Amino acid sequence: GAVVSQHPSWVICKSGTSVKIECRSLDFQATTMFWYRQFPKQSLMLMATSNEGSKATYEQGVEKDKFLINHASLTLSTLTVTSAHPEDSSFYICSLTPSGDGATDTQYFGPGTRLTVL
Amino acid sequence: GQSLEQPSEVTAVEGAIVQINCTYQTSGFYGLSWYQQHDGGAPTFLSYNALDGLEETGRFSSFLSRSDSYGYLLLQELQMKDSASYFCAVRDDILTGGGNKLTFGTGTQLKVEL
Repeated sequence: GAVVSQHPSWVICKSGTSVKIECRSLDFQATTMFWYRQFPKQSLMLMATSNEGSKATYEQGVEKDKFLINHASLTLSTLTVTSAHPEDSSFYICSLTPSGDGATDTQYFGPGTRLTVL
Repeated sequence: GQSLEQPSEVTAVEGAIVQINCTYQTSGFYGLSWYQQHDGGAPTFLSYNALDGLEETGRFSSFLSRSDSYGYLLLQELQMKDSASYFCAVRDDILTGGGNKLTFGTGTQLKVEL
């Protein structure tokens, strides 16, 4: 299967700082990547769809100015949580489908980034 | 709005068979997937149904009835390592750029006991 990496795996920061999370596809290209947020004991909530070379598409209720997404290449998407606050503490996970693999519906997830804002 | 309902918790003994149900109500439907997630880990793909019927993959099987907006995941010969959260997910959009936009269910915590 495809390999997706995220960096960092965990981060602790002070309130008001910005945190950048990288999602990298190691062995295939992906035009589209997805960013999810998961609170403890809850489901995965889609935040935004990251499109290579164009603006991300945000889900309703997700502030695009707070969660900046940059999909600079076919193998890298970044999520920046700006001016983080304690309520942003969560598990952030990226996922993608290899280009041309839409028929199988397999979506590969990164290992996630645990963000704790003090 | 979109909604996918699952039982919050299921407990079963090692070696048994367990069924996790999922009922959905979404604006679009292009298939139902199942994912497993261990504590602190990433979701991993288990199974996918685009058409009605049963799909079997080893100890795991998944069923879909589109007319009933219903599906289930069947786990056989339960093992302790199967203790995890299980999520159904509907592919509710086909993106022109590729990729599968998924809406996830509420999740079911499966506990396997000796």
